[in-house]
Parts: sequence; C-alpha cells; structure tokens
Amino acid sequence: DAGVIQSPRHEVTEMGQEVTLRCKPISGHDYLFWYRQTMMRGLELLIYFNNNVPIDDSGMPEDRFSAKMPNASFSTLKIQPSEPRDSAVYFCASSLGTGRDQPQHFGDGTRLSIL
Amino acid sequence: DAKTTQPPSMDCAEGRAANLPCNHSTISGNEYVYWYRQIHSQGPQYIIHGLKNNETNEMASLIITEDRKSSTLILPHATLRDTAVYYCIVRVHNTDKLIFGTGTRLQVFP
Repeated sequence: DAGVIQSPRHEVTEMGQEVTLRCKPISGHDYLFWYRQTMMRGLELLIYFNNNVPIDDSGMPEDRFSAKMPNASFSTLKIQPSEPRDSAVYFCASSLGTGRDQPQHFGDGTRLSIL
Repeated sequence: DAKTTQPPSMDCAEGRAANLPCNHSTISGNEYVYWYRQIHSQGPQYIIHGLKNNETNEMASLIITEDRKSSTLILPHATLRDTAVYYCIVRVHNTDKLIFGTGTRLQVFP
C-alpha cells in the first residue's frame, strides 16, 4: 500500500518567492496533519484537518502560511512570501478515524531551503 | 498536557535488547502512550502504542507500569538499522494532536 506521498522532496528558492508543498494522504484516511521540523524547535504541529476541514491551525506561525485541503486525497501548504527562517523539513501525516487509538503515518518530508 | 521525559541518548550492542525508558507521571487515565522513531532524513515512523496493558507487535514491545507513570519500549534484538531517535508521546487528551519532545537518540553499535 502506498504511504503518505509528499512533493517535492527538496525545494530551494529565494526569499520572497511563493512556495507550495503538496501532500497525498493514505487512501481512506480522514485526518491530515502538517508538521515542521527544525534543529532549534524540533517537530511542531502546524495544522490538521478532519474530512478536509481545518480543525486546529494554532501552530501556523504567521499569516504568510496557509494550508488547504480541497479534497480527501490532496493538501497543500503554502508560504507567501517565503523567508530564510522558514527553512526546515515539512512533514505531512495522515490517520484513519477519530480518537486516540489511531496512529499517524508520516511521509518522508519536503526539505525546504530559503536563500 | 501530559509531558514525557526521556534520556537524551543510549547505546546498545547489535543483537542485544534495547530498553528505552519514558516517564509520563502526569498522564491521564484515558491518554495513550505512543512510540515513534525517526531515522535520519526520513519521516517519523510509528512503532507501537498502548493504554494500560503491555503490547507487542512485529517491531517492538511496550511495557507500561501499573500506575501508568512510566513505560519502556523494548527492541528485542537491536540491529544497526534501529539506530534512530525514539520519541515517547502521550496523546493530548480529547484531541488528535501528538506533541513530540526531544526523544532518545539510540546508537546501535556492532
């Protein structure tokens, strides 16, 4: 079975440019999570969706960040305009069903470098 | 939110059991303990989770103390490929959030 698929795997762009990260969750999963990982702050939850609806975006750092989930099989995380401090590895994860008994499954991440 | 405490690093000889401890003294009665690991340059990988009883799967065993204030992840026969950062997480009550700490860096040596 295909796991969570993220694209691109690596992105290098200049400050001020728009960056779009993409995620395809595991088929049938109704929860989708976006995380960011840096050396300084570790792994942080940015936002998560349930049935394509954002549930908690309290981890989104500022208005430059936005996330959408237009359908059950696709989500985007957008940064506009990007800044060097946004450089990090961004992970997407998905899980099945509700409750505390369902593990999240992660993709391999997008390594983002803002010059 | 229930917090977890893990040693920053551990070593284990290849073929021996790796026992990774985790303290979660403020855990609530209906909060699960989850274990993930992250191998360099990869996404976190789910290992196992439990509530009260000990659990075992093809990857590991999870031993939870009777008072639920601590747990131990056991890799019965560690291999070099088990070298990773291991995260013990208590799932936040009534939400779907996982709060990752700093984890334990396990180094398996030949």
